[in-house]
Order: sequence, then C-alpha cells, then structure tokens
Amino acid sequence: GAVVSQHPSWVICKSGTSVKIECRSLDFQATTMFWYRQFPKQSLMLMATSNEGSKATYEQGVEKDKFLINHASLTLSTLTVTSAHPEDSSFYICSARVSGGDYNEQFFGPGTRLTVL
Amino acid sequence: GQNIDQPTEMTATEGAIVQINCTYQTSGFNGLFWYQQHAGEAPTFLSYNVLDGLEEKGRFSSFLSRSKGYSYLLLKELQMKDSASYLCAVTDSNYQLIWGAGTKLIIKP
Repeated sequence: GAVVSQHPSWVICKSGTSVKIECRSLDFQATTMFWYRQFPKQSLMLMATSNEGSKATYEQGVEKDKFLINHASLTLSTLTVTSAHPEDSSFYICSARVSGGDYNEQFFGPGTRLTVL
Repeated sequence: GQNIDQPTEMTATEGAIVQINCTYQTSGFNGLFWYQQHAGEAPTFLSYNVLDGLEEKGRFSSFLSRSKGYSYLLLKELQMKDSASYLCAVTDSNYQLIWGAGTKLIIKP
C-alpha cells in the first residue's frame, strides 16, 4: 500500500518559536495532501488542503499566516507552525490522496506530536 | 449542514461480535470510509463502501445503505488488540472527507 511519512514524530519547543513538519509520500505521487489536527479524545479536524504547485485552502477558523503550508512537489508538503504557543500543542497528522486512485482514499502519515512549553 | 453521527463509546467482550453504527447527512455522497485509530497513532484504513450492501474483509465487514444514510462496521471474533477508536468518514460531492467524532471501542477479557 501507499506509504506516507512524517518528520519529526514528536517535537518540544519553546513558546514563540517556529516548527516545521514534513509530510512525504514515499512510493506514490500525491497531487493533494491534507493537514489535520487532533486534540486528545477528539476527532480529526481538517486544517487545510494542499495542492501541488498552488496555495493551500484553509478551513474556517484556521489562521493561514500562523500555519504556513507549502506543497512544492508531488511527494512533499510542509506545515510550519509560526510563533507557536502552548494552545498549539496537538497531534498533527498529514494525509495524501493517490492521484488517479480508485476511490480517493487518503493515506495517513504517522503523525507529529507537538508540545509547546 | 453536514453531519456524521456515531456512538461515543462501546464495550464488548473478547471473542464476541460488535456492530458500530454510523449515520450521515452530507451534501452529496461519493463513498464512506471506516478507519481504525489506536491511541497516539494515526488512522489506518479499514474499508470503503460506495454501493449499497456488505463488504467483507476477514474479521471486519462494513455495510452501507445510501437511501438511509447509514453504515455499520461489524467486528467478529474480537481480540484485545481491536481496542481502538473507529472513525466513520464520508466523501461529499466535492470529494472532501467529512469525519465522525469516532467510537471508542473497549474490549474486555
């Protein structure tokens, strides 16, 4: 099956710093990648949809200037949390949709746990 | 608005059968997914239904009725490792995934 990796798996940073999370599709090309955030005991919340070579589409309530998304190639999308604060601490998960796939299935990365002190 | 409903939590016994229901109201329908998510991990794909009926895959089966906006995930011969959250998600007319809040399944010996 299609494999998606994320790096780093976990990160601890100080308040005010920026953190970059990478999402890679390892064995397929993904024209569309998705970024989710999940707080403890809650479901996935879609933050933004990222299409290769174009600007990301952000969900309502998600600050585009705070969560910078770059999808520079068909196998890599990055999420940068700028000026992170403790309330940004969460589990960030990316997924990638297979180009031309049978049923638009999303394959998920293993997630990145961000803790902001 | 778009809405996916599933029970918050269910408990079952090892070796038994459990059915997790999901009802949905979305703008359009292009398929329904079930994902399994263990605590602290990302979701993993279980099943996909786009036509009415039952899809069987080993111990897991998923059923869909589009006219009723209803699906269920059936887990047989439950094992302790099946303790996880089960997420129902529907693809709408824009191929956006609409997620349910997930059902936490607790398996007891």
